[in-house]
Amino acid sequence: GENVEQHPSTLSVQEGDSAVIKCTYSDSASNYFPWYKQELGKRPQLIIDIRSNVGEKKDQRIAVTLNKTAKHFSLHITETQPEDSAVYFCASRGNSGGYQKVTFGTGTKLQVIP
Amino acid sequence: DGGITQSPKYLFRKEGQNVTLSCEQNLNHDAMYWYRQDPGQGLRLIYYSQIVNDFQKGDIAEGYSVSREKKESFPLTVTSAQKNPTAFYLCASSIQSGQGNQPQHFGDGTRLSIL
Repeated sequence: GENVEQHPSTLSVQEGDSAVIKCTYSDSASNYFPWYKQELGKRPQLIIDIRSNVGEKKDQRIAVTLNKTAKHFSLHITETQPEDSAVYFCASRGNSGGYQKVTFGTGTKLQVIP
Repeated sequence: DGGITQSPKYLFRKEGQNVTLSCEQNLNHDAMYWYRQDPGQGLRLIYYSQIVNDFQKGDIAEGYSVSREKKESFPLTVTSAQKNPTAFYLCASSIQSGQGNQPQHFGDGTRLSIL
C-alpha cells in the first residue's frame, strides 16, 4: 500500500521567514496531494492541494510543488506569521482496490516565533 | 466545516463498555470516513463508506464497528475489544471517492478516554 513520509516532525521559524515541509510517497499511481492545517484540538482544514498533472500551485503565501519522477511534494509558506503555527499534514490519494484511498503523513508541528 | 457534526466532543469509556461516536453531515456527500489520531502518528483510517449500506475496513479496523443506514450518518462504535481506545477520533466526508480528486472535509472530532 501507499506510504507517505513527512519531514521534519517539528519546525521553528522566526516570523517573516519561510517554512518548507517535505513529503515523499511510494505509489506512483497516486494522483492527488492535499495539505491540511490542524490547530490544537481542532479539525484538519484543507489549505491547498495539487493534482498530478500540475507541477506547482500557489495561493497567496502558500505554495505546493510536486515532482512526480522523484515522488515527492513540498509545502512552502512565505512571510510566516504567528497564526501559521499549527500542525501540517500532507496526504496522497491513489487507487486501493477501486477505492481512492487517502494516506496521511505523520505531521509537522510548525512554530512561528514572533 | 459546519456541515459535519461530531458528538460528543469528549467521551469516557469504562472497562468492558462499548461506546458510540456520532457523525452527521448535511453536505450530501456519498463517502464518509473515520480516522483515529494519536500523537506523532498522523491520521489512520479505521473504516470508510462509499455509499449507504456499504462500508469497508481501513487500516486499523480491529475493535471498531460502523453502520451506514443513512447517507447523512456514519456512527462508529468502539467495542470492548479495542484495548487502547484513548485517542482523538475524526470523521470526514467527501464527494463520492471515485469521482476525481475531491478533498475530505472533517468534523471537530471526539476525544475518547478510558476511565
